[in-house]
Amino acid sequence: GESVGLHLPTLSVQEGDNSIINCAYSNSASDYFIWYKQESGKGPQFIIDIRSNMDKRQGQRVTVLLNKTVKHLSLQIAATQPGDSAVYFCAENTGNQFYFGTGTSLTVIP
Amino acid sequence: EAQVTQNPRYLITVTGKKLTVTCSQNMNHEYMSWYRQDPGLGLRQIYYSMNVEVTDKGDVPEGYKVSRKEKRNFPLILESPSPNQTSLYFCASSLGSGDYEQYFGPGTRLTVT
Repeated sequence: GESVGLHLPTLSVQEGDNSIINCAYSNSASDYFIWYKQESGKGPQFIIDIRSNMDKRQGQRVTVLLNKTVKHLSLQIAATQPGDSAVYFCAENTGNQFYFGTGTSLTVIP
Repeated sequence: EAQVTQNPRYLITVTGKKLTVTCSQNMNHEYMSWYRQDPGLGLRQIYYSMNVEVTDKGDVPEGYKVSRKEKRNFPLILESPSPNQTSLYFCASSLGSGDYEQYFGPGTRLTVT
């Protein structure tokens, strides 16, 4: 099967600093990559996605970088805020199926 | 309000007793999917549906059934639940193939004893 998301399980950052969450994937045929945020007790929430033919995509305070050479995906969060504390998952789409990583728990230190 | 709803939110049952977890979306989405979330394993896709009457197996379909008779509903059926199906289940929907912004429901925590 697919292998996604050799995340570091936890990450702590100081409020106001930038956060970088990393993800590795195994299937070079994946079409799309997506980042989700999951707060405690809630379902995952879409953050940003990127097609496999792109290297970078920016959203509001977030940037996703895709390095297909080394099969690596990262999510950068600028000026991290306490509300960013959550578990972050990367996911890849192949055909009509989705494969999620194991997630990184981000803690923002005030 | 655009949303995905699941019922029940919590369920404790016994081995072998058939159960159904309902999922409904009000966004006219074509694509719907079920996931289970287990500690250390992330989310794993159980089944998905591209449209009414079209369903396909995901990564971990064993022990589950689904149906898609109406566009808005996508129930998950456990014909004979076993303890290894104790998990947190999420339903999700998106506009359709090519649109990957999935909206997730609040989750159903299932315990099978």
